[in-house]
Amino acid sequence: DTGVSQNPRHKITKRGQNVTFRCDPISEHNRLYWYRQTLGQGPEFLTYFQNEAQLEKSRLLSDRFSAERPKGSFSTLEIQRTEQGDSAMYLCASSLSGADGYTFGSGTRLTVV
Amino acid sequence: GDSVTQMEGPVTLSEEAFLTINCTYTATGYPSLFWYVQYPGEGLQLLLKATKADDKGSNKGFEATYRKETTSFHLEKGSVQVSDSAVYFCASSSSNTGKLIFGQGTTLQVKP
Repeated sequence: DTGVSQNPRHKITKRGQNVTFRCDPISEHNRLYWYRQTLGQGPEFLTYFQNEAQLEKSRLLSDRFSAERPKGSFSTLEIQRTEQGDSAMYLCASSLSGADGYTFGSGTRLTVV
Repeated sequence: GDSVTQMEGPVTLSEEAFLTINCTYTATGYPSLFWYVQYPGEGLQLLLKATKADDKGSNKGFEATYRKETTSFHLEKGSVQVSDSAVYFCASSSSNTGKLIFGQGTTLQVKP
C-alpha cells in the first residue's frame, strides 16, 4: 500500500492551455473522489467515481472540466482552456467504504498565469 | 444544502494551553462527522470521527463529541504542543456516496 499518488505535484500553465492531472488510488479502493482547494478554504467536492462509473458531479465542474477513470483504476482530471480562476490545489482521495475510510493524495497545485 | 462552519483563525496558543476549535453543521438527516488535519507541506489526514449522536471521537489527545442538539462537533485538546501547529478542517458526510462537506479550516499556531 503506497497510498494515493497524484502527478504532477505542481503545474504552471498559461491561460487557455489544457492540463491533465493523474491520480493513482489505493489499489483495492473502488471509490475515487476529486476535490478542489483554494487558498484559505476547505476542499470542495468536484466528482466521484465508483469503479469506472462517474456517479456524481458538482456544479463546480464546468464543461471545461472532464474526469475519467478507465477500468476503475487510475483517474485523470482534465481542464480545457484554463482560466486564472482555475488556480488551486486539486486533491484526489480514494476509499473502500465511503466517507469513513478516505485516504487523500498530496494534491496537484495548478497555477494559471 | 449541507454545510459546515468553523471558527475563524488563526488561533495562536502557547504550548500546554487548552485548545477548542468550534464546528457546527447543517445537514438533512444524521451525518457522520470528521476532523481532518493538514500539516505544512503535507496532505489531509483523518484525525478523528464520530458517526452518530453522543459519539466521542479521539486521537492523539484530541477529542470531539457529536452533539445533535446543538449540531456541533467542537475539537478539543487539553495541552497543545508545538507539533500540533497545522490547519484543522471539520467535515460532514450524509451522502451514501461518501462525499465530504468541509469547513473553511482553522489555522492553529502553537508557540513554545
